[in-house]
Amino acid sequence: QVQLVQSGAELKKPGASVTVSCRTSGYTFKFHYLHWVRQAPGQGLEWMGRINPDSGGTTYAQKFQGRVTMTRDTSTNTAYLELSSLISDDTAIYYCAKEKTPKWEVVRVCDYWGQGTLVTVSS
Amino acid sequence: EIVLTQSPGTVSLSPGERATLSCRSSQSISSSYLGWYQQKPGQPPRLLIYGASTRATGIPDRFSGSGSGTDFTLAISRLEPEDSAVYYCQQYGNSFTFGPGTKVEIK
Repeated sequence: QVQLVQSGAELKKPGASVTVSCRTSGYTFKFHYLHWVRQAPGQGLEWMGRINPDSGGTTYAQKFQGRVTMTRDTSTNTAYLELSSLISDDTAIYYCAKEKTPKWEVVRVCDYWGQGTLVTVSS
Repeated sequence: EIVLTQSPGTVSLSPGERATLSCRSSQSISSSYLGWYQQKPGQPPRLLIYGASTRATGIPDRFSGSGSGTDFTLAISRLEPEDSAVYYCQQYGNSFTFGPGTKVEIK
């Protein structure tokens, strides 16, 4: 069965960086885009970007350009999100999510999600 | 950037009633790129509908999606207590965006 398992909660100081991992299994990793979405406490869903696990190519939301880096390790089917220059407004649950269809198809929704990683930014 | 607007913000209905949730886009989008999710407290979102009207695997037929262009609808017929959640629409243009969500409360 498809599983996305994320790393544990993080507490970071303002100005620091955080890396969240997303270990996947149960499907062909390189065939499906992997997205990162965050949710601040009591707020809605905010898309951060996606990575093509095959090529490593990325598309980032404009809001996070210059501050976000998405990478992957195809040997372990794991994706990584790094967010730098953290501020208190970055306190949120960060989710990875698998795109439903292979990247050569045109349905662009996410069918499996990680459990979420709480990142708290506080001095 | 395409902006999605959802209405109402909150709806409170009784079990067995029908809920109609609206999602409007600032620009016309392809139906292939419109999805709906359900999120309950403490859980990640769950895909309900993709391609504007196709139910995802395991989703009961009480949930139905429709619409095209800039106006899309999620209907939940015969509401059950477990349908209490926040519902988000999502589109893919040149990037993903989510609507702000509609909270469905069951009386």
